[in-house]
Amino acid sequence: GQQVMQIPQYQHVQEGEDFTTYCNSSTTLSNIQWYKQRPGGHPVFLIQLVKSGEVKKQKRLTFQFGEAKKNSSLHITATQTTDVGTYFCAGSRDDKIIFGKGTRLHILP
Amino acid sequence: SQTIHQWPATLVQPVGSPLSLECTVEGTSNPNLYWYRQAAGRGLQLLFYSVGIGQISSEVPQNLSASRPQDRQFILSSKKLLLSDSGFYLCAWRYGRNTGELFFGEGSRLTVL
Repeated sequence: GQQVMQIPQYQHVQEGEDFTTYCNSSTTLSNIQWYKQRPGGHPVFLIQLVKSGEVKKQKRLTFQFGEAKKNSSLHITATQTTDVGTYFCAGSRDDKIIFGKGTRLHILP
Repeated sequence: SQTIHQWPATLVQPVGSPLSLECTVEGTSNPNLYWYRQAAGRGLQLLFYSVGIGQISSEVPQNLSASRPQDRQFILSSKKLLLSDSGFYLCAWRYGRNTGELFFGEGSRLTVL
């Protein structure tokens, strides 16, 4: 069945350093979405990428969708303490939405 | 505006007891509905999804079932809980098309003892 792999599982960075999480799907995706979950909370939508090779930016966050529509990445520049949480990618194929296992980001002050 | 309600927020159940988690969406019609489970510190596992009343797709064969008796109501059930059913259950909806973000409920934290 469809699988979405995400690495790394954990990431500790000093405040101000950059952070990247990677996502790979076993099948071609219709689109890919990124979510952020704060500790104790529920996932909150960040962005959706639809087109092959698409790149989108939200302030310090840069999202990319691979040319083959099977991989994606999220890059955060100059992390801040407010970036703490778990970042999930989610691959969509028809009505099914499969999440990666997430990358938990810890910020060291 | 659209809202999603999920309850109960927290419950502690003995092994072998039944389970019923409810989720309702307001402010939209014919949404796609989803149940996910998140084990402690783990990812989101898709359990069931529904594109319409009475239409349920099961992703993982297990001790759970889902029903959609009304357009905006999604219920997760079990006849006999197992220890491994413990986790954080999240209901979500999105507009009934092949794109668009998921809107999550606040979640139900289940502990099976």
